[in-house]
Amino acid sequence: GQSLEQPSEVTAVEGAIVQINCTYQTSGFYGLSWYQQHDGGAPTFLSYNALDGLEETGRFSSFLSRSDSYGYLLLQELQMKDSASYFCAVRGSGGYNKLIFGAGTRLAVHP
Amino acid sequence: DSGVTQTPKHLITATGQRVTLRCSPRSGDLSVYWYQQSLDQGLQFLIQYYNGEERAKGNILERFSAQQFPDLHSELNLSSLELGDSALYFCASSVGAGAPTNNQNTEAFFGQGTRLTVV
Repeated sequence: GQSLEQPSEVTAVEGAIVQINCTYQTSGFYGLSWYQQHDGGAPTFLSYNALDGLEETGRFSSFLSRSDSYGYLLLQELQMKDSASYFCAVRGSGGYNKLIFGAGTRLAVHP
Repeated sequence: DSGVTQTPKHLITATGQRVTLRCSPRSGDLSVYWYQQSLDQGLQFLIQYYNGEERAKGNILERFSAQQFPDLHSELNLSSLELGDSALYFCASSVGAGAPTNNQNTEAFFGQGTRLTVV
């Protein structure tokens, strides 16, 4: 089967940098994705890594190490609007079809 | 706006009843996924369809079923409802369902969800 682990909560202040880690177990692997979800809203795609290394998209970056089954989402220059839940997700076991999400990390950004 | 439409937005029903949730994917997307999200919980994968065929199944209860129609919209049927079925139900769509080429990402686009309350 597949499983993902990420911290349940992270707290930071405006302007700071925060890293949300994700470790995964899956018998097949087609990439690690990150999604953001504000309270009451729908998850929205942030980034995707299929190969080892860092992908940068504005203030957000995502990293993957396939040998360590590990990735992280890095959020820089935090803003109040970044307060949300962040989910890592993998496609793996059972072929490419299943997109399985972690339990989510709730990020609270304070002034 | 993701382009994925879910109806209804809210649904209140009694235990033992049956409901149908509807999802219209983004134009051109062939894959539809259904997820259940209980209060302060993660997204539990239920089932996925691709071009009308079931492609992957998660921990979907036997009381739940789904289908994807020729026009690619999908319906999730929940029957013999219990209090514990109260949750947000999300539908997502993506372009493909097979293994990607050149590490191509097939991002999933989510609808706004249907909030189901069983009383």
